[in-house]
Amino acid sequence: KNQVEQSPQSLIILEGKNCTLQCNYTVSPFSNLRWYKQDTGRGPVSLTIMTFSENTKSNGRYTATLDADTKQSSLHITASQLSDSASYICVVGSRTGGGADGLTFGKGTHLIIQP
Amino acid sequence: DAGVIQSPRHEVTEMGQEVTLRCKPISGHDYLFWYRQTMMRGLELLIYFNNNVPIDDSGMPEDRFSAKMPNASFSTLKIQPSEPRDSAVYFCASSFIPAPTGELFFGEGSRLTVL
Repeated sequence: KNQVEQSPQSLIILEGKNCTLQCNYTVSPFSNLRWYKQDTGRGPVSLTIMTFSENTKSNGRYTATLDADTKQSSLHITASQLSDSASYICVVGSRTGGGADGLTFGKGTHLIIQP
Repeated sequence: DAGVIQSPRHEVTEMGQEVTLRCKPISGHDYLFWYRQTMMRGLELLIYFNNNVPIDDSGMPEDRFSAKMPNASFSTLKIQPSEPRDSAVYFCASSFIPAPTGELFFGEGSRLTVL
């Protein structure tokens, strides 16, 4: 069964610190992996999309890594800011697996940045 | 572009009432998706359209749910009659390239509470 598991479920860190969020998946065949940021009361916004051939991708202070062999991805946030407080959702795409849209969604990691 | 526009942002209704959620996709995007988000299950695909035609509605939970897309710039999701278990945030998303390749652009969501 195609699944995307994210850890931790929630995380609290101090402003200015770094953190890493994890995503493990069993989706097959793999097409791409995305990370979304969802602010409270808002819709998800794409941070990065990685295909099989990409093992790292950055978007400002956000850096995503992908290990397609172990089926793991991580999202590293550098020098966290209060505005980074949000849920971060990992989504894996598959041309034949997942939902009708080919996507399998994780349940997200809820990140809180404290001043 | 203004992005994907959803209305209403919040809806509180009583059990048994009809609920209609509305969505205007990004101009030029041929794919439109309706998702439901709950704490327990995360984001789940309900239905998606291509060029105004419903392609897959296997995620629609029951016959009480229906969706239409009368033209390229408007879609509705209707629940009749509504039940308390329908309480969730409903997102509309659109894309230019089909899933799972295309990037999804989400609206801000409609938070539904059924009493």
